[in-house]
Amino acid sequence: DVKVTQSSRYLVKRTGEKVFLECVQDMDHENMFWYRQDPGLGLRLIYFSYDVKMKEKGDIPEGYSVSREKKERFSLILESASTNQTSMYLCASSLEGAGNNEQFFGPGTRLTVL
Amino acid sequence: SQKIEQNSEALNIQEGKTATLTCNYTNYSPAYLQWYRQDPGRGPVFLLLIRENEKEKRKERLKVTFDTTLKQSLFHITASQPADSATYLCALDGQAGTALIFGKGTTLSVSS
Repeated sequence: DVKVTQSSRYLVKRTGEKVFLECVQDMDHENMFWYRQDPGLGLRLIYFSYDVKMKEKGDIPEGYSVSREKKERFSLILESASTNQTSMYLCASSLEGAGNNEQFFGPGTRLTVL
Repeated sequence: SQKIEQNSEALNIQEGKTATLTCNYTNYSPAYLQWYRQDPGRGPVFLLLIRENEKEKRKERLKVTFDTTLKQSLFHITASQPADSATYLCALDGQAGTALIFGKGTTLSVSS
């Protein structure tokens, strides 16, 4: 059973803390994505990566950075967490290409920044 | 920039009826369009993909149409069941040919 796993389901952090969200996929996928999902705003792309050590900004990269040192792992980093980064964070992966391949999503991490 | 709209936030129907969800897009001609299901507190799950040269695609009780003239996709669930209650997202390939762009979703409630 193919899987995308995320390091935490729920996370509570304080303003100013550095936060790491980890995502691992076991499907040997080239593409990996980080989204955040907020009520009324839908899924918004933060960053994506189409290969190891490669990254591309999505629609809302400000306040975030990413790291992809290994093919199976894609990390999202909040350098200095702020309350407006409270959200559901979803990781996904897919085979190379764009809309011609389905995305497999992880279960999500609900992050609360106090 | 490209825009994708699912023009109903919520849809309520009776069990056994056909649910029809709409996805419209502007300022772009996508090569692919996808539909996902999302249950509360969980990640989206892929349902169907349709290509621009395909008019219709079916999978069990699901049917998707893709009208490139109207710039619209319709997603149908026939003989709907309470278990079909969820949020349904449409997504299209972005103009830059990279990541998907998702609509905000339509929440379907099927009552028995």
